[in-house]
Amino acid sequence: QITLKESGPTLVKPTQTLTLTCTFSGFSLRTSEVGVAWIRQPPGKALEWLALIYWDGDTRYSPSLKSRLTITKDTSKNQVVLTMTNMDPVDTATYYCAHRKSGSYFAYWGQGTLVTVSS
Amino acid sequence: DIVMTQSPDSLAVSLGERATINCRSSQTVLYSSNNKNYLAWYQQKPGQPPKLLIYWASTRESGVPDRFSGSGSGTDFTLTISSLQAEDVAVYYCQQYYTTPTFGPGTKVDIK
Repeated sequence: QITLKESGPTLVKPTQTLTLTCTFSGFSLRTSEVGVAWIRQPPGKALEWLALIYWDGDTRYSPSLKSRLTITKDTSKNQVVLTMTNMDPVDTATYYCAHRKSGSYFAYWGQGTLVTVSS
Repeated sequence: DIVMTQSPDSLAVSLGERATINCRSSQTVLYSSNNKNYLAWYQQKPGQPPKLLIYWASTRESGVPDRFSGSGSGTDFTLTISSLQAEDVAVYYCQQYYTTPTFGPGTKVDIK
């Protein structure tokens, strides 16, 4: 059974750096083709894909946010970490992590964590 | 980026009737070497994460009712709910994964 869970601060101040952790079970990031992605959703708005890390350590980023994002993995802890620098109120959103199998579609999602950016 | 658009923005359908949602990509998502369309559909209910319904444009995810079907190729795709049930009220998103993933803006489905 694959599960993912996001954790991190619920409130950050403008200009701060956000660090979110995705802790997963039921699969290994050592397995070929597997990846973990971060996707966000501002309140009442559409989904926005942010970043993806593959089993081999390769990473992909949203072109519009690439300069602010870093995604890393700790295979031994079954965790993937996303950092986003220079947070702004427009970054207020529910942040999800999701499991990627063979194609970059996402069959398993965490419940999401709401991050509010406010002074 | 490949830009995804969806139509309509919202629709209301009577119970038991057909619901059709359209999705268009700004460039093809058909990979010629394997003849696969890199297109997925999701359902999202309030307060819940998205649920994968369809991938490779027409392959139904395990456990998804067969009233949900996906079709199309290249740049134009359709999600069809053949007989709308009350539990299908949700927002539906298409997503391409031909390049770095992008989602459509969503289509809200309600009961008429």
